[in-house]
Amino acid sequence: AQSVTQLDSHVSVSEGTPVLLRCNYSSSYSPSLFWYVQHPNKGLQLLLKYTSAATLVKGINGFEAEFKKSETSFHLTKPSAHMSDAAEYFCVVSVLDTGRRALTFGSGTRLQVQP
Amino acid sequence: NAGVTQTPKFQVLKTGQSMTLQCAQDMNHEYMSWYRQDPGMGLRLIHYSVGAGITDQGEVPNGYNVSRSTTEDFPLRLLSAAPSQTSVYFCASSREGTPGTGELFFGEGSRLTVL
Repeated sequence: AQSVTQLDSHVSVSEGTPVLLRCNYSSSYSPSLFWYVQHPNKGLQLLLKYTSAATLVKGINGFEAEFKKSETSFHLTKPSAHMSDAAEYFCVVSVLDTGRRALTFGSGTRLQVQP
Repeated sequence: NAGVTQTPKFQVLKTGQSMTLQCAQDMNHEYMSWYRQDPGMGLRLIHYSVGAGITDQGEVPNGYNVSRSTTEDFPLRLLSAAPSQTSVYFCASSREGTPGTGELFFGEGSRLTVL
């Protein structure tokens, strides 16, 4: 079985300061990991993905995430927050299990950016 | 390119009524799926399809039916609406037969309230 835990339900930062959204996963197999962003009243959009290549993954809008197998983590970071980053972020784990892949979504982290 | 289109965006039902949420994609994706999003619970898979004529249950299928007669369309039917089905519903598609390592493309969601 697999699971994903987003350690913070809400994160508030000031514009121009770093962003850190934390995600831990549990999986018996080698996972693929994703971060999706959801702006208000919109569908989810892929930010970045890890699929067993480079452990540091760069995504859109200046976001990046590092896969750390020893810590079973896949935290999302951005050096400098922008007002447009205010949204909900979902960490997703994908594992090949009994011949097919299963996706598990985290419960989400709402990022607030203060001016 | 329209991507994934969902209709209606908003719907209010009375308990016991039935309705269909429509989903269409113009990307020739084989994989299509329906999720529901509830506060603090991330997204949960209702039903999915890996191609025309093929559907399968996800994590929370009870009370919902699907069919896939064409590659483009994947409607979700609520047979007898219950207040527990009040949620935001998302349709998503993927190039892959299963969304293992690839990107999911989401519609903008359908907000359903059951009174």
